[in-house]
Amino acid sequence: QKEVEQDPGPLSVPEGAIVSLNCTYSNSAFQYFMWYRQYSRKGPELLMYTYSSGNKEDGRFTAQVDKSSKYISLFIRDSQPSDSATYLCAMRVSGGYNKLIFGAGTRLAVHP
Amino acid sequence: DGGITQSPKYLFRKEGQNVTLSCEQNLNHDAMYWYRQDPGQGLRLIYYSQIVNDFQKGDIAEGYSVSREKKESFPLTVTSAQKNPTAFYLCASSIGINSNQPQHFGDGTRLSIL
Repeated sequence: QKEVEQDPGPLSVPEGAIVSLNCTYSNSAFQYFMWYRQYSRKGPELLMYTYSSGNKEDGRFTAQVDKSSKYISLFIRDSQPSDSATYLCAMRVSGGYNKLIFGAGTRLAVHP
Repeated sequence: DGGITQSPKYLFRKEGQNVTLSCEQNLNHDAMYWYRQDPGQGLRLIYYSQIVNDFQKGDIAEGYSVSREKKESFPLTVTSAQKNPTAFYLCASSIGINSNQPQHFGDGTRLSIL
C-alpha cells in the first residue's frame, strides 16, 4: 500500500464549478501538508501549505486537513480554464530532513 | 528575480553515455533536491544535499550521481548504469534541510533515450 493515495483522474468540469481534490494517507506521523499545481511540461508550483487540522483559505483555494481520518482536500471555487493542470498533494513528518512524500497527482481539465 | 533554473529543457542520451543535468538557484537556500517524475507516479527522491560538499542518497539513487561544490549549484549525472533513464527530472530547494519551509521547484529537464 502506498503511503499517499491520490485519485489520478482525469477530472473534467465546466467553468465555474467547485472542484474537490483529495488525498488519503496511512502514516499518522505526517504533520505538514502541501498542494502543488503542475502545468504541462513545467515544475510543480506551491499552492497551499498547512500544518494543523482544519481549513486554510487563499483566494479561490481552500485546503482542508482531517488528521483523524488521514485525509486532505483541496477545494477550488469558481474554477477557470487556467486551473487546468495536475494537482499534487505532498506531506512530511515533523523533524528529520525535509523528505516529502507525494501523491501521484490528479489531472484536472476545466472547460469553458 | 529569484528562482531555480534547470537546463537543458530536453536532453537525449545514447546507450552507454553519461549525461549531466544542471540545476542553479539564486534563492540562497541551503538544501537542494533531485526528483524523478514518471507518468502516473508521484515524485521520487534521487539525492538531496543540505550543505556544500555534502549529499545523501534518496530512495532511488542507483545509476545517478551528484556533486555540491557551490551553494547555488547541484548538478545531477545520469550514468550508463541507469537502465531506465527516460523521465522528467525536477530540482528543488528549501531554506534548510530541517526547516519546515516548503520546497520550491524548477521547471524540469525531460530526458529521453535515442
